[in-house]
Amino acid sequence: DAKTTQPTSMDCAEGRAANLPCNHSTISGNEYVYWYRQIHSQGPQYIIHGLKNNETNEMASLIITEDRKSSTLILPHATLRDTAVYYCIVRVVRVQGAQKLVFGQGTRLTINP
Amino acid sequence: SAVISQKPSRDICQRGTSLTIQCQVDSQVTMMFWYRQQPGQSLTLIATANQGSEATYESGFVIDKFPISRPNLTFSTLTVSNMSPEDSSIYLCSVMGVSVNTEAFFGQGTRLTVV
Repeated sequence: DAKTTQPTSMDCAEGRAANLPCNHSTISGNEYVYWYRQIHSQGPQYIIHGLKNNETNEMASLIITEDRKSSTLILPHATLRDTAVYYCIVRVVRVQGAQKLVFGQGTRLTINP
Repeated sequence: SAVISQKPSRDICQRGTSLTIQCQVDSQVTMMFWYRQQPGQSLTLIATANQGSEATYESGFVIDKFPISRPNLTFSTLTVSNMSPEDSSIYLCSVMGVSVNTEAFFGQGTRLTVV
């Protein structure tokens, strides 16, 4: 299964852009990259996903490199409420069509006032 | 979207006993999953709950320890059997559609403490 590698922790100042990197060098051509975050051990919350094009929604932007071996999640104007653990995930598709999400270890992002 | 309800939200159990966790979804979904999150760790997939057939377990997880039922497209249970303190974790239910271009949804989890 495709694995992801993320920095263990990051800090960012409130109001600045938070850029969270992720390596997924073994990703296959049909596997999507998903980002979720988890606050205080609640259920993970969906942020964004993409295959090979850059994506943007109301929460964040996702930049995927051309070779798809890495990606960056961008929170454009971080607030204190963005403090959370951010997971970069590969959606694995198996031969018989079975699918699953493979979680990395996550990045603990702390937004500082 | 899908709204997932998990019961119980938390429990404290004696070692050697079993606990059954319920997961109810507000709409029919194709894929349901059970995850374990040990203290301070990431989520680890236990198994895929298959409707009408045996669950598909990930490496390191066995049916005798984590029996799973899925009688229909909106409901599943996970039992943690013969519990030990090492089973103290958060257990989460998740659902996903077939399309790889759609998000997965997670329940709020069941926080289990085994004493």
